[in-house]
Amino acid sequence: DAGVTQSPTHLIKTRGQQVTLRCSPKSGHDTVSWYQQALGQGPQFIFQYYEEEERQRGNFPDRFSGHQFPNYSSELNVNALLLGDSALYLCASSFGTFSYEQYFGPGTRLTVT
Amino acid sequence: AQSVTQLGSHVSVSEGALVLLRCNYSSSVPPYLFWYVQYPNQGLQLLLKYTSAATLVKGINGFEAEFKKSETSFHLTKPSAHMSDAAEYFCAVSGTQGAQKLVFGQGTRLTINP
Repeated sequence: DAGVTQSPTHLIKTRGQQVTLRCSPKSGHDTVSWYQQALGQGPQFIFQYYEEEERQRGNFPDRFSGHQFPNYSSELNVNALLLGDSALYLCASSFGTFSYEQYFGPGTRLTVT
Repeated sequence: AQSVTQLGSHVSVSEGALVLLRCNYSSSVPPYLFWYVQYPNQGLQLLLKYTSAATLVKGINGFEAEFKKSETSFHLTKPSAHMSDAAEYFCAVSGTQGAQKLVFGQGTRLTINP
């Protein structure tokens, strides 16, 4: 049973550029949440997708956007990158609108120079 | 609003000693509570969860936690530390209505001394 997968593993971008991160949920899961984990900090919720729509959003600017595809996979897009966007981006999946248990992927390490 | 405070960013214990990692939460609604572990360069793995059933919750790898509403605490314990327990531990809180977002604490780095 495949768990949550994310790509790429590592990414280096320059300030002002745009980046797309990808996530495939655990088999059977249909809800995807994204978190940002800055170095030495706990993860912070960015947003959650269910049925291809954004259901919840954390305190992140509009530069952060996402998408969910019919196969439940998801993308996180960040525009106009800032140095402060450097972090580990974690994807978590769960099943349905009543599941409280989220399974995390290994993350994508984004470095902005 | 919900928040989590983990007391002690670093905890060091000897192998075989008791592990105690502290977590206090704040929530305006009945919470669900979680402990996650993160090994270097890896994602988060769920250790255990409290979902309003038994207040003493047992998890994987010999860890357990007790929900104490009067103290708004959810401390993580393990009777005997093992070298493989060295990792970063995160306490998290969520609401109980559906697939809620997780609100994490700052984390506690656990070091095991031989």
